[in-house]
Amino acid sequence: GAVVSQHPSRVICKSGTSVKIECRSLDFQATTMFWYRQFPKQSLMLMATSNEGSKATYEQGVEKDKFLINHASLTLSTLTVTSAHPEDSSFYICSSPGSAGGETQYFGPGTRLLVL
Amino acid sequence: LAKTTQPISMDSYEGQEVNITCSHNNIATNDYITWYQQFPSQGPRFIIQGYKTKVTNEVASLFIPADRKSSTLSLPRVSLSDTAVYYCLVGPDAGGSYIPTFGRGTSLIVHP
Repeated sequence: GAVVSQHPSRVICKSGTSVKIECRSLDFQATTMFWYRQFPKQSLMLMATSNEGSKATYEQGVEKDKFLINHASLTLSTLTVTSAHPEDSSFYICSSPGSAGGETQYFGPGTRLLVL
Repeated sequence: LAKTTQPISMDSYEGQEVNITCSHNNIATNDYITWYQQFPSQGPRFIIQGYKTKVTNEVASLFIPADRKSSTLSLPRVSLSDTAVYYCLVGPDAGGSYIPTFGRGTSLIVHP
């Protein structure tokens, strides 16, 4: 199956700093990538849809100026949490439907963000 | 988007068969049903996908009745390592571009 990686796997930062999370498709070209946030004991919440070469589409309630998404190539999408605050501490996960598109999603391993 | 409803939690014991049912009353004609498994602090992992009747792979079976308004994930002879959260998703949406949306999932705990 298709492989999606994320980097870093975990990061601790101070409040007010920015953090960049990378999501890479290792063996396929990802035209579309999805970014999720998951708080403890809760389900995955879709934050935005990232499309290669175009602006991301954000879900209602997600600040686009705070969560910057760049999808400059077919194998890399980045999520930058700007001016991070403790309430941004969460588990961030990306996924892609793979080159064939459609219903099956391939998920990254996730990035644990802790903002102090 | 078709909404899904699952039991919040289930308990089982090693060696037993576990069946998790998902309701999706508003499933569309072109929607598939996909199940994912998620362990703590990991991304979800694809388990199985189906459209109708029965699908079986090396880890699970998926039963879908004729009206497709529900589906049942069957895990044969579970082990402790099957303790995880299981999500069922249906898609694609009416626009033809699939945006995966997760419900609350079912937390399965397998006891020794």
